[in-house]
Amino acid sequence: DAEITQSPRHKITETGRQVTLACHQTWNHNNMFWYRQDLGHGLRLIHYSYGVHDTNKGEVSDGYSVSRSNTEDLPLTLESAASSQTSVYFCASSESGTSGYATDTQYFGPGTRLTVL
Amino acid sequence: DAKTTQPPSMDCAEGRAANLPCNHSTISGNEYVYWYRQIHSQGPQYIIHGLKNNETNEMASLIITEDRKSSTLILPHATLRDTAVYYCIVRGLTGNQFYFGTGTSLTVIP
Repeated sequence: DAEITQSPRHKITETGRQVTLACHQTWNHNNMFWYRQDLGHGLRLIHYSYGVHDTNKGEVSDGYSVSRSNTEDLPLTLESAASSQTSVYFCASSESGTSGYATDTQYFGPGTRLTVL
Repeated sequence: DAKTTQPPSMDCAEGRAANLPCNHSTISGNEYVYWYRQIHSQGPQYIIHGLKNNETNEMASLIITEDRKSSTLILPHATLRDTAVYYCIVRGLTGNQFYFGTGTSLTVIP
């Protein structure tokens, strides 16, 4: 069955280190998204991509970067981890509508719990 | 995208219907209503979505008022596994993200 996976599921790192969180989907979806979830804030969009080599900033993109070299993967990099980036991170994917925009249902991965000490 | 308002928490007896309300008074004509749920520590799970007409699938029913300013998600026979946070989201055809808000925490009581 097609699925979306994230790794690692749990990560502890130190302030200032570079961290990369992996997201892999086997649905062949064009659109992929990264969210973070913190108590009292719901889910907030970090970055998203509508296809290979396409990346866009979301609501809370500062301190994060993504690159899309193939359809299946959208890794999220924290260039220099900060304690404020301690959070649960979710990756999601969706098909493109006929207009090319992300009109369809988003399917989420299981999440990565990141702690920055 | 239109803002939604949901009660922070609700209880429901096991086996009874759970009716979760959502207000979206500023919704525009081309915006859809989506419902997701999140069981503790898991990724959000899609439930159902609709534009104007009521919708039903194997998980739930979605009732949208005629003026589209509010909607209700109905879980017809709630089970303990339905205990989760339920998010009502309104988004347009060209929206690029889902605004999840803080949702309704539903507790199904044995």
